[in-house]
Amino acid sequence: RKEVEQDPGPFNVPEGATVAFNCTYSNSASQSFFWYRQDCRKEPKLLMSVYSSGNEDGRFTAQLNRASQYISLLIRDSKLSDSATYLCVVNQAGTALIFGKGTTLSVSS
Amino acid sequence: EAQVTQNPRYLITVTGKKLTVTCSQNMNHEYMSWYRQDPGLGLRQIYYSMNVEVTDKGDVPEGYKVSRKEKRNFPLILESPSPNQTSLYFCASSPWGGSDYGYTFGSGTRLTVV
Repeated sequence: RKEVEQDPGPFNVPEGATVAFNCTYSNSASQSFFWYRQDCRKEPKLLMSVYSSGNEDGRFTAQLNRASQYISLLIRDSKLSDSATYLCVVNQAGTALIFGKGTTLSVSS
Repeated sequence: EAQVTQNPRYLITVTGKKLTVTCSQNMNHEYMSWYRQDPGLGLRQIYYSMNVEVTDKGDVPEGYKVSRKEKRNFPLILESPSPNQTSLYFCASSPWGGSDYGYTFGSGTRLTVV
């Protein structure tokens, strides 16, 4: 099974900063793409799906480049509550979500 | 409330003592799956089920069994637990395997095998 790779961080940023996370996936047959958020010792929660046209949800913007097999997440105006681990996730062959190991974000006041 | 319920949340057991972690979902989802999460290794799939009576191995199935007799339930069985199965376990469900909606996860089971 091919992998999903992302920079583990940690990313330490002040409140109000803009931060970008990147992710690459190796299987070009991957079908759907997501960003999940995981707080310490808790279950992953879906942050947003990612589409080729790009999509935005409030302060969060996700982009997918299928040709480069590259996924990104941009967080604008970071809040303390954004501190978490962000997981890049790919649905491969409809049988499993393949998770990156996560990028840790710490937002400080 | 739509949810995936796992039990127990925490479990400490001894090597070789059979245990079952239960998972139940109330969303009529066809697809269910078990993952384990370990430091430095991320989330890895143990087993999955595309529908009732249909189960298949994920990336790390050794030492585990599952069954899917009913749509809502997908228990994870450790017949003879060993210390290397100490981990954080998550059950997840989805309308179907290729769903664009992602998975809904249970709250996790933290298992320690001594």
